[in-house]
Amino acid sequence: RKEVEQDPGPFNVPEGATVAFNCTYSNSASQSFFWYRQDCRKEPKLLMSVYSSGNEDGRFTAQLNRASQYISLLIRDSKLSDSATYLCVVNAGANFNKFYFGSGTKLNVKP
Amino acid sequence: DTGVSQDPRHKITKRGQNVTFRCDPISEHNRLYWYRQTLGQGPEFLTYFQNEAQLEKSRLLSDRFSAERPKGSFSTLEIQRTEQGDSAMYLCASSASGQGAGPQHFGDGTRLSIL
Repeated sequence: RKEVEQDPGPFNVPEGATVAFNCTYSNSASQSFFWYRQDCRKEPKLLMSVYSSGNEDGRFTAQLNRASQYISLLIRDSKLSDSATYLCVVNAGANFNKFYFGSGTKLNVKP
Repeated sequence: DTGVSQDPRHKITKRGQNVTFRCDPISEHNRLYWYRQTLGQGPEFLTYFQNEAQLEKSRLLSDRFSAERPKGSFSTLEIQRTEQGDSAMYLCASSASGQGAGPQHFGDGTRLSIL
């Protein structure tokens, strides 16, 4: 089983839509969780960390469900510029210094 | 520019040659990571340094791969006797010290093509 699994998509949504992605992880002891955004042929860029209580940054909301071992990302009022691949990241390993990325979920926001 | 920088941006070489990539992390970051990414996949963890100490290595890092961070600043990743399967984007990331694992900042990557 992969450490981190994501639905690859693509999610094709109109501008203004609300879209949600989930990501499941296998190591119940994982401590740090992040969402990154990656544009085509570019490096991943941090979108937001995910905290136990859930957190929001503008149109983006991240949540963590430790019992079910998944994290989610909600994007409200989608913009054309939100089109990208969204990667979830979880730490693991003996000292939790290894980071595992999902394969990414591709989002296409259309006019 | 005070971000993570990687050199070269692109490397094309023949199978069997050795290649070396360099990463300069953000100056105050003591944690440095190397990843490999192929098309349609997320980055795969290769190795982690805290200062000059290499604390984690993935099983993906075969004996043809070696990474160093001799003075706890820049790092190099060397691949010996390259194979076609080594073709990928090699990404370096750094993060600050502190409790827990903080978010990582990535460089632009080195794209390796093996002929």
